[in-house]
Amino acid sequence: GAVVSQHPSRVICKSGTSVKIECRSLDFQATTMFWYRQFPKQSLMLMATSNEGSKATYEQGVEKDKFLINHASLTLSTLTVTSAHPEDSSFYICSVRGRQGAGGYTFGSGTRLTVV
Amino acid sequence: TQLLEQSPQFLSIQEGENLTVYCNSSSVFSSLQWYRQEPGEGPVLLVTVVTGGEVKKLKRLTFQFGDARKDSSLHITAAQPGDTGLYLCAGEAGRRALTFGSGTRLQVQP
Repeated sequence: GAVVSQHPSRVICKSGTSVKIECRSLDFQATTMFWYRQFPKQSLMLMATSNEGSKATYEQGVEKDKFLINHASLTLSTLTVTSAHPEDSSFYICSVRGRQGAGGYTFGSGTRLTVV
Repeated sequence: TQLLEQSPQFLSIQEGENLTVYCNSSSVFSSLQWYRQEPGEGPVLLVTVVTGGEVKKLKRLTFQFGDARKDSSLHITAAQPGDTGLYLCAGEAGRRALTFGSGTRLQVQP
């Protein structure tokens, strides 16, 4: 599968500020990347599908203006949490589907966001 | 919405015991994957099953895909403390994002 690098692994920010999380596909040109959110002791919930060169597709209930996604190149997608609040504290994970056929999904190592 | 339900949600067993985790859905998936996730890390793929009725073995782990490709099971034989973690099933349909199950948190006591 693809090699995916996610940065930062941990970030603490103050309420009202914005935080940018990067997801890089190191060895595969990804036209599509996926962003998930995971609360403690829960499973992964899809937030949005990031499409290179076009607008992201957001899942129902996910605020587009709050979670800004930019996929300007085939190897980089960014998720910006704007005007962060404590309830945005969570574990954010990106994923790349690296090849044709079944499977082939690779996940980043995740970003633990804590808003204080 | 395609939903995947996992059971049990939490399992605490002694080292050496066997266990089975179930993943069920009313939807058909082109493939189903099992992941294991450690705290603070992303999920790591264990196996992908594609064909209805398929059985795959990975050392002490046995994975089965239901005949109708709607459900799957993970059986661990002689569990070890190193098996502790969150186990997630995930269904694939076309080229869309994976749909994750609710997760099973396994704790193996030495």
